[in-house]
Amino acid sequence: KAGVTQTPRYLIKTRGQQVTLSCSPISGHRSVSWYQQTPGQGLQFLFEYFSETQRNKGNFPGRFSGRQFSNSRSEMNVSTLELGDSALYLCASSTLAGFNTGELFFGEGSRLTVL
Amino acid sequence: AQRVTQPEKLLSVFKGAPVELKCNYSYSGSPELFWYVQYSRQRLQLLLRHISRESIKGFTADLNKGETSFHLKKPFAQEEDSAMYYCALNSNYQLIWGAGTKLIIKP
Repeated sequence: KAGVTQTPRYLIKTRGQQVTLSCSPISGHRSVSWYQQTPGQGLQFLFEYFSETQRNKGNFPGRFSGRQFSNSRSEMNVSTLELGDSALYLCASSTLAGFNTGELFFGEGSRLTVL
Repeated sequence: AQRVTQPEKLLSVFKGAPVELKCNYSYSGSPELFWYVQYSRQRLQLLLRHISRESIKGFTADLNKGETSFHLKKPFAQEEDSAMYYCALNSNYQLIWGAGTKLIIKP
């Protein structure tokens, strides 16, 4: 079956702009989680959604938001971009039990560059 | 506070030598711990989890609650083991990650 798909793969924005990233999970997966990966901070949890409900949120400012649709696709939005938001944003999907058992399936990521 | 520590950014060993990637955690309660691996140009993927006590690709990891550790071990390293390894802790639908260890297997 098709894997987790993230779009766009690469994008360049300028400070102050906003960006929306999309994640299509594996068919049948209802949990979607997002992560920010940077050389300095490594992998950091952003948020996790299950059946359109956010179950947890990482320690990020309110400029970072997300949502999940009824078809389990998810989007994350970053408003008022800062240089430090430049990162690889990873999305992962899993079944209900899968998140707790670590069975996450990751996308290739969206690489955001903020100039 | 919940935290995962991987003290080694880089670990380089010769093929056939034993490998141990260290992971220590800080968590109040029963931890759910995992090892993830990212091979070059591939997606991040689950390698193994403590709850299943399995051996994957020759790797094992034992949870030591007394030492709050979950080290990843393999008795004989192979060149294809070269990758980035991450230890992660599940806390209430939040995955907390270690900084990762880059493992290089020298021929």
